[in-house]
Amino acid sequence: DTAVSQTPKYLVTQMGNDKSIKCEQNLGHDTMYWYKQDSKKFLKIMFSYNNKELIINETVPNRFSPKSPDKAHLNLHINSLELGDSAVYFCASSLSTTGTGADTQYFGPGTRLTVL
Amino acid sequence: GNSVTQMEGPVTLSEEAFLTINCTYTATGYPSLFWYVQYPGEGLQLLLKATKADDKGSNKGFEATYRKETTSFHLEKGSVQVSDSAVYFCAGTGGGADGLTFGKGTHLIIQP
Repeated sequence: DTAVSQTPKYLVTQMGNDKSIKCEQNLGHDTMYWYKQDSKKFLKIMFSYNNKELIINETVPNRFSPKSPDKAHLNLHINSLELGDSAVYFCASSLSTTGTGADTQYFGPGTRLTVL
Repeated sequence: GNSVTQMEGPVTLSEEAFLTINCTYTATGYPSLFWYVQYPGEGLQLLLKATKADDKGSNKGFEATYRKETTSFHLEKGSVQVSDSAVYFCAGTGGGADGLTFGKGTHLIIQP
């Protein structure tokens, strides 16, 4: 009964390839996110989606394109992979975009991307 | 913009020692604050949170109190165990669909 799942867990590929990472949440949440964790463990938001609509798009190269087919899924497609894209990518979800305070974000197990 | 500053490690302690990891947050308003923990090879797990001033979050013997004056959210535990060895992240958000702003993480090593 995994709450937020990602596939694949590991992804090794050559420079210039195109790859996708899938994320699914079964928590009934409205909002989903993608984060990137670099080799020094630093975590940074990339995108957030609410009800399939893009809310946040940080300064991420346009080679990265998130796609949300429905509220439970947020996939990340990366074109023309570069060495610097090597990182761990985490998907997360939270319940609501409204209300006081912030809702907790629940994270997936991560996808370790290695670009050779 | 928003920022989170936490002490950088690694922090090495002996089992049963007292733990403090400092965290402060800079924001235009009063964000909600979180501590996440990442065990080796795993994803991030929520450890505790506080959504308003003077709130205290607690879980698994860890505590943190949201101090409004300094927007601080220091993590404490009275007696650490080897199993607490992990990377701890302080984070904050203004809510809504805002992403979390993370600190750089503190690698905690507990020696038997």
